[in-house]
Amino acid sequence: SYDLTQPVSVSVALGQTARITCGGNNIGSKNVQWYQQKSGQAPVVVIYRDYNRPSGIPERFSGFNSENTATLTISRAQVGDEADYYCQVWDSSAAVFGGGTKLTVL
Amino acid sequence: QLQLQEAGPELVKPSETLSLTCTVSGGSISSSDYYWGWVRQPPGKGLEWIGNIHYSGRTNYNPSLKSRVTISVDTSKNHFSLNLSSVTAAETAVYYCARTYINGWYLESWGQGSLVTVSS
Repeated sequence: SYDLTQPVSVSVALGQTARITCGGNNIGSKNVQWYQQKSGQAPVVVIYRDYNRPSGIPERFSGFNSENTATLTISRAQVGDEADYYCQVWDSSAAVFGGGTKLTVL
Repeated sequence: QLQLQEAGPELVKPSETLSLTCTVSGGSISSSDYYWGWVRQPPGKGLEWIGNIHYSGRTNYNPSLKSRVTISVDTSKNHFSLNLSSVTAAETAVYYCARTYINGWYLESWGQGSLVTVSS
């Protein structure tokens, strides 16, 4: 099975840039999605196919994927960005999620 | 506005079968552009994909659950269902239904989730 590795937690100062990584073997050859899950809510996709933003997602959210690491970048971090973030890929028609990263905005 | 709503028993006994239904409103389940699936999340833990189904009946399952999972679709009722057999307490979780858009292959719409507790 395909494994995705995320840091358990990331902290960022208010207004600064947060970067959340997602590691996987040759993940650069796959399309990566990122989901934001706020406490008590269902996940919401913020990035699909590595760097695409669905309508309604701020430009502050961006994605990059290369070689063995995909990265979600959140610029000008806000208190409202505090959430768990999950990366996801498809492997042989099955979805695989990373373990999730808790983002704290200080 | 698309809405997905999970429904089913909140309590299931160990070794029995967990059954949930997701009713779709505000859109047709018979669209070729989407797969309909299930994701679960144990309390305080991460997301685990269970499987999905196309309205045509084509299914995909998590390999680790495949032997115990059945996902079916009823286009006349605009809903799809999950059956997970021989459950254990470790499968206590919030179960979400979700729609996957095949142009992008992302889970773009989610239900609010249904907490299912496995306990005797």
